[in-house]
Amino acid sequence: GAVVSQHPSWVICKSGTSVKIECRSLDFQATTMFWYRQFPKQSLMLMATSNEGSKATYEQGVEKDKFLINHASLTLSTLTVTSAHPEDSSFYICSARVASGGPSTDTQYFGPGTRLTVL
Amino acid sequence: DAKTTQPTSMDCAEGRAANLPCNHSTISGNEYVYWYRQIHSQGPQYIIHGLKNNETNEMASLIITEDRKSSTLILPHATLRDTAVYYCIVDNYGQNFVFGPGTRLSALP
Repeated sequence: GAVVSQHPSWVICKSGTSVKIECRSLDFQATTMFWYRQFPKQSLMLMATSNEGSKATYEQGVEKDKFLINHASLTLSTLTVTSAHPEDSSFYICSARVASGGPSTDTQYFGPGTRLTVL
Repeated sequence: DAKTTQPTSMDCAEGRAANLPCNHSTISGNEYVYWYRQIHSQGPQYIIHGLKNNETNEMASLIITEDRKSSTLILPHATLRDTAVYYCIVDNYGQNFVFGPGTRLSALP
């Protein structure tokens, strides 16, 4: 149980284009989902927290107009990187928080990640 | 900043127990200790978490000191597949994880 999927697993795009990444909780409902970014040889950095049906909360230094987050249902959140540039190339990882009823409550389960390369 | 400190790296012999320490001297009363691991180019995998009692599951055991200022993750029989970066995190109910650099565990044949 507590499986989180991400799609796509990797994407290459041209500078200036937009890329959408999907995050789904497959066997549980997640009222809260999180988006992280990880640069090579670094740890995960939280970008934003999203609650179903409300606006995402962004961490300091993360541009909300560049990283658009939509959490339209209890099982799906999307991250859109708008006007991507080479410095946005990174490993993007989502997680979903099991608030109740899951195999292990009050913890986060992570997706497999999406590697974005902007040329 | 992360609220935990861990050794940068550790080696363990395949088949032996791996004991990964974590210091969290500023932990507050309602914060849990969580352990995750990240195998190269994958998302973090949940291992175990606990509040104050020792915990055990099919993957590992978590030993938390009585004062809760430190803990140890025990992998009972390490294999090459356990080679990963292990993260120790303290947090209230999984709402605000801050990842430190973790411990890079290398299981050696």
